[in-house]
Amino acid sequence: AQSVTQLGSHVSVSEGALVLLRCNYSSSVPPYLFWYVQYPNQGLQLLLKYTSAATLVKGINGFEAEFKKSETSFHLTKPSAHMSDAAEYFCAVSVGQGAQKLVFGQGTRLTINP
Amino acid sequence: DTAVSQTPKYLVTQMGNDKSIKCEQNLGHDTMYWYKQDSKKFLKIMFSYNNKELIINETVPNRFSPKSPDKAHLNLHINSLELGDSAVYFCASRRRGGNTDTQYFGPGTRLTVL
Repeated sequence: AQSVTQLGSHVSVSEGALVLLRCNYSSSVPPYLFWYVQYPNQGLQLLLKYTSAATLVKGINGFEAEFKKSETSFHLTKPSAHMSDAAEYFCAVSVGQGAQKLVFGQGTRLTINP
Repeated sequence: DTAVSQTPKYLVTQMGNDKSIKCEQNLGHDTMYWYKQDSKKFLKIMFSYNNKELIINETVPNRFSPKSPDKAHLNLHINSLELGDSAVYFCASRRRGGNTDTQYFGPGTRLTVL
């Protein structure tokens, strides 16, 4: 069964520092992977997605992620954290042919220290 | 302008009551979903409809009944509410296409069962 695991339920970085949120996947077929962000009391917003077109994917708000098949990883990074990046981040894998559903990781709460 | 909207945003009710949550999307999408986010922020799919036809039905108590009057609307009715039903319920939609299509989420409905 396809699944994702996010390492670290809580990550704390200083403003201006590198952000690294880890996601590893398990899949017997080429996966389609997504990163979503959830700001407090809001719905989920797509940051970026991997669709096998390119291994380095750039998203909104300066985030990017690199698909590494050898490491079964799709880690999310941002060179310089901003206070507004504080949120919950979810990695997800798309499962199913046609009747697509998203299987989410446990989520990582990102805190930005001034 | 709202792409996926849900009503109500907050719902507080007593155990044993019956309640409904409504979802509407104006994106012209064919497929809609209900997800449940528990108190630990874990997101799990409940149902999916495509053009008013149920296509995903996860292991959900039959007290939960989705209804899709048309492809722009997907409502969730819950009978005999229990304490464990307290959660945030998210509606989502996408075009019916490949597994790379983005799911767009509503703002969520926070259900509290007392």
